[in-house]
Order: sequence, then structure tokens, then C-alpha cells
Amino acid sequence: DQQVKQNSPSLSVQEGRISILNCDYTNSMFDYFLWYKKYPAEGPTFLISISSIKDKNEDGRFTVFLNKSAKHLSLHIVPSQPGDSAVYFCAASYLAGKLIFGQGTTLQVKP
Amino acid sequence: SAVISQKPSRDICQRGTSLTIQCQVDSQVTMMFWYRQQPGQSLTLIATANQGSEATYESGFVIDKFPISRPNLTFSTLTVSNMSPEDSSIYLCSVEETGDYQETQYFGPGTRLLVL
Repeated sequence: DQQVKQNSPSLSVQEGRISILNCDYTNSMFDYFLWYKKYPAEGPTFLISISSIKDKNEDGRFTVFLNKSAKHLSLHIVPSQPGDSAVYFCAASYLAGKLIFGQGTTLQVKP
Repeated sequence: SAVISQKPSRDICQRGTSLTIQCQVDSQVTMMFWYRQQPGQSLTLIATANQGSEATYESGFVIDKFPISRPNLTFSTLTVSNMSPEDSSIYLCSVEETGDYQETQYFGPGTRLLVL
């Protein structure tokens, strides 16, 4: 049973445009959501998070939106840059320390 | 955030052997975690390692296969025992730090293991 799903394995956008990465979850007990970026041969890097008491969190070019009724969150990157090309994982938790990860979406930003 | 290092960064091992992976943090942390990322898959939590207590394993992972040590607040090891090709994965440790809302996990660079 996959509790966190990223249904798009890949996404390609033009430099300067918006990248939207999506994530769906099934467990209504999740109360904290995170996005990580992963380059090849490196560990995941924390990007941004959101608590279930919020519906939006913004940090520079990165904004995460949470729609609890739809059990859906998205990561917006504006403007997209070639250095943003990486695999993006969403993760969710409801127990201390226990993160459930999605399958990842490979983002390619074309110059 | 804490700086996390892992040793070795990669290894190629023969089946039936064991490999111990080290995770070092530059600050004292209460909770450390070990994850596995199999080829083409997502990250899966193996176990939680708290200093001074036995590690807590997730469903599908057992201590005999993945013994963990946590001798102090800055260090942990994960051993992959009696390896088979199915154990070929990236093994990652992470630590938990207090973020804006609640604790956030930060990851080490990973150990890439290939079992022949």
C-alpha cells in the first residue's frame, strides 16, 4: 500500500518557466509534509516543508501548497533554473521520525 | 543543519559477506535513522537508532540482517549481513533537527553498495 504517490515520474520545463511537482497521499493522519531534492551520487537535500495546519509555505523560489481535502500537495518552482534539474521526493509523516516517501519525480529544466 | 558524513561512500561486495556502514554527525542528535533506496525505488526507512536503546526496526527489516549500533550522540553504524545481490542499494543515514514547525530530517551523502 503506497501511502505517498508521485504519479509523474518525469517533468521537463523551459528555463524561466514554472515547474509544478505533484504529490498525493492516502493517510489522513499525516500532519507534516516535506520536499527533498536529490542529485545523482548525493543524499537528499531538504527543500521546504509544510504543516497540516497551513495551506501554503513559501521560501524564495519554492512554494508548497497543501490541499487537505484532496490529500494533495504540490511544489512550485518559479522561475525554474537548469540547476534545479534533479529528482524531487515528497515525504509525509505523522509519527516522530517516520517519513514515508513518494517514488520521486525527475525534473529537467532546459536552458 | 548538521553536517553528516558516511563511510564508505561506495563498495562492491561478494555475496555472503557483511559490510558495516558508518554515519558521523558534527553535532549531538537524539534520533538517527537508516534508510535504503533500491535501484529505481523510493527511500524506505529501515530503522530508528536512539542512543542508549535498541534500534526500532520497520516492518520487513530485522536486527539479524541489519544490526545497528548507536554508541553516542554523534555516531551510528548499520551492518548489512550475509549480503545477497538484492541488498544492492543506496544506504542513507539521517538525523532529525527542529525545523519551523517540527522536526526535519537531514540526510547524509549515502553509501552505494553493489553485491555480486
